[in-house]
Amino acid sequence: GAGVSQSPSNKVTEKGKDVELRCDPISGHTALYWYRQRLGQGLEFLIYFQGNSAPDKSGLPSDRFSAERTGESVSTLTIQRTQQEDSAVYLCASSLVLAGANTGELFFGEGSRLTVL
Amino acid sequence: GQQVMQIPQYQHVQEGEDFTTYCNSSTTLSNIQWYKQRPGGHPVFLIQLVKSGEVKKQKRLTFQFGEAKKNSSLHITATQTTDVGTYFCAGPKDSNYQLIWGAGTKLIIKP
Repeated sequence: GAGVSQSPSNKVTEKGKDVELRCDPISGHTALYWYRQRLGQGLEFLIYFQGNSAPDKSGLPSDRFSAERTGESVSTLTIQRTQQEDSAVYLCASSLVLAGANTGELFFGEGSRLTVL
Repeated sequence: GQQVMQIPQYQHVQEGEDFTTYCNSSTTLSNIQWYKQRPGGHPVFLIQLVKSGEVKKQKRLTFQFGEAKKNSSLHITATQTTDVGTYFCAGPKDSNYQLIWGAGTKLIIKP
């Protein structure tokens, strides 16, 4: 596709249920990020995938959160046993990583809005 | 750890007034990027600065990258309602090039 695609766009779930969010990056983009954005707040880094390198998971807030990416394609973010505090917009972004630490611009998806009741 | 700090958190202006947001990094950056997020939207890339002392303009927006490549600013001249949103700066982490983000500055136009 032309841009970063995320699904679902909206998800309402009950506390304690598991949810899976999907991100389809721009073809050829080796870098992929997941961010969480609570209402009125900034971007909270969750996880970073770059090519075949080990992902940077330093932003995952608890062991209930996990993410996978197969090669340079689709990524899924899974939240187990959801809590009300998990309610937020989850944004995915992809980019090229250029030579000389010149990180390419990030292209964001529209986000997945998660509401935990 | 490596940090990018951005101030102010909010700025209220009358339409037509100027707006400035400042970004400071704890380390020298190879480049810095600026993004705008409209209310209800997702961040959209505005510009990337790479050179020491670089100044770039996009219509009423002026972006600067400091000589030491540790600070940057975005200045908007004569704000308009279309400028409303949150402006973020971001720079690459030394170790793996992922972007480190400032907290953002929200531009609010007073009614």
